[in-house]
Amino acid sequence: ETGVTQTPRHLVMGMTNKKSLKCEQHLGHNAMYWYKQSAKKPLELMFVYSLEERVENNSVPSRFSPECPNSSHLFLHLHTLQPEDSALYLCASSHRDAGELFFGEGSRLTVL
Amino acid sequence: GQSLEQPSEVTAVEGAIVQINCTYQTSGFYGLSWYQQHDGGAPTFLSYNGLDGLEETGRFSSFLSRSDSYGYLLLQELQMKDSASYFCAVRSYGGATNKLIFGTGTLLAVQP
Repeated sequence: ETGVTQTPRHLVMGMTNKKSLKCEQHLGHNAMYWYKQSAKKPLELMFVYSLEERVENNSVPSRFSPECPNSSHLFLHLHTLQPEDSALYLCASSHRDAGELFFGEGSRLTVL
Repeated sequence: GQSLEQPSEVTAVEGAIVQINCTYQTSGFYGLSWYQQHDGGAPTFLSYNGLDGLEETGRFSSFLSRSDSYGYLLLQELQMKDSASYFCAVRSYGGATNKLIFGTGTLLAVQP
């Protein structure tokens, strides 16, 4: 139990599908993050939400759409993805100015 | 831009000591973190250096030299369970919150 829960753990989707990844944290944190982890590449920061406001968008294609309805929940809406988007998508949370991030176990996405 | 470099793989035997180096280039540097990730698991926080010097936590120690843009993670009395990927991450401050930028990771294989 990491305190950060991600669902689904595995997702297979076609390029024309629309799906969403969900992240929930029970740690009382006020910042949440989406990272993408591909083989042989660094964890790539996608989005940062601080106090429910998006404060970072690292040139992520518009086919990825984040949503943060409150400080405990974070979503990543997916539509018309490409096979190269197949990766492990990690959610994390932290106190806004802390150096420690708490990660979920990730959602393994495969785009066919 | 921001970049971090660390070795891709390291092999050591049980009971030995291993050092994983990390060099970085970044702006707005606040500190260097280390994370451990077992295969299929979530990255978990190991240590954070905001100031120069050595931080010790049990068998793990981490060092930072801000003037050299360099740090390392030292693992002592290696155990088989230490086999994992180890990531250094730079904490930088930009916009309204902090963010972590990760290196590509070092795969540590501990052999009997």
